[in-house]
Amino acid sequence: AQSVTQPDIHITVSEGASLELRCNYSYGATPYLFWYVQSPGQGLQLLLKYFSGDTLVQGIKGFEAEFKRSQSSFNLRKPSVHWSDAAEYFCAVAPFGPGGGADGLTFGKGTHLIIQP
Amino acid sequence: ETGVTQTPRHLVMGMTNKKSLKCEQHLGHNAMYWYKQSAKKPLELMFVYSLEERVENNSVPSRFSPECPNSSHLFLHLHTLQPEDSALYLCACRSGVNTEAFFGQGTRLTVV
Repeated sequence: AQSVTQPDIHITVSEGASLELRCNYSYGATPYLFWYVQSPGQGLQLLLKYFSGDTLVQGIKGFEAEFKRSQSSFNLRKPSVHWSDAAEYFCAVAPFGPGGGADGLTFGKGTHLIIQP
Repeated sequence: ETGVTQTPRHLVMGMTNKKSLKCEQHLGHNAMYWYKQSAKKPLELMFVYSLEERVENNSVPSRFSPECPNSSHLFLHLHTLQPEDSALYLCACRSGVNTEAFFGQGTRLTVV
């Protein structure tokens, strides 16, 4: 079974500073990988996804993530954070293969991002 | 707007009540899911429907009963819940391989 680890429960970053949120996954093959963001009381919004090809993927709101197979990681980065980036961030995986379309995503516990003025 | 609508947004119910959560998707996707999000816990996948048939039930208590009458609608019927069932319940849908899941805004359930 796949699993996702987000080792940082909370991260505090100053506005304008760079950001990196860590994500490690456990899976027998290369899974589909996702980053979602959730504002308080809201659903999850997709930031970016990796299925294959270029290991550096660009997403919305200036975010990017890099897939590193050797480290089983898919870390999320942003060069300069804005106060509006304060939210909960979730890394997720889904199985690869013909049956992967119906399988639900497996999520990490999330990282709460706090932005300091 | 993600194309997935959940109603109601908030629900308070007693332990002896029966209520239902509704999810409607306008994306034409063929897989739909219920997730439970509790404080300090990862999102828990509760039920999976693919082409209107249930394909997964992750040991969810029988007080939760899903229903998928057609490809656009998903319900979660609730009865005799416990206070620990208070959580945000999220509906999601997915169209197949090489796709992400699209989430509704959730129903905040409080069991008193």
